[in-house]
Amino acid sequence: QKEVEQNSGPLSVPEGAIASLNCTYSDRGSQSFFWYRQYSGKSPELIMSIYSNGDKEDGRFTAQLNKASQYVSLLIRDSQPSDSATYLCAVNSLSSNTGKLIFGQGTTLQVKP
Amino acid sequence: DGGITQSPKYLFRKEGQNVTLSCEQNLNHDAMYWYRQDPGQGLRLIYYSQIVNDFQKGDIAEGYSVSREKKESFPLTVTSAQKNPTAFYLCASSIVGTGLAFYNEQFFGPGTRLTVL
Repeated sequence: QKEVEQNSGPLSVPEGAIASLNCTYSDRGSQSFFWYRQYSGKSPELIMSIYSNGDKEDGRFTAQLNKASQYVSLLIRDSQPSDSATYLCAVNSLSSNTGKLIFGQGTTLQVKP
Repeated sequence: DGGITQSPKYLFRKEGQNVTLSCEQNLNHDAMYWYRQDPGQGLRLIYYSQIVNDFQKGDIAEGYSVSREKKESFPLTVTSAQKNPTAFYLCASSIVGTGLAFYNEQFFGPGTRLTVL
């Protein structure tokens, strides 16, 4: 079992729709969760961090964390073609205390005009 | 402007050659990291350093070496022992907290794309 799993996609949504990206992780000691956006040929850009169960909203983005079920999700409201990118989920385990982030392989999102 | 710079943007290596990738940050971050990304895959950790003059191997350290002589700089050398070095190399940095403050938001440089000729 991979430590952090994401559906590679592509996930295709029409412009203006809600895109839902999901991520599951195996280490119950995980404490910090991150979503990065990566455009083709570019480096990852941090867009959301979440540390507590529940929802965290930032503009059109909402991160949702459920530690009991070991999943974290990212919702993108009013999706735009400029949101088309690969979204990487990353998890840090407090138990390791090494600063090591474990990345999923990423989900490719396509927003069609 | 605060940020992370990597150079060169593109690098070509001949068989048997060592090459060094540069990473500099002016964010005053203590921790720095090197990742490798292959097409269609996530990031894999090569080396990381949480303090000057100290570093640890990540998951795929074989064939790579690093140094951390200054807080701002964390160069990566890809040696001839790395048999399949063609990849996108990413440097990142973060603060180092303790306990529950150890959130570890990592910020990435623009990357170096290495190709073996």
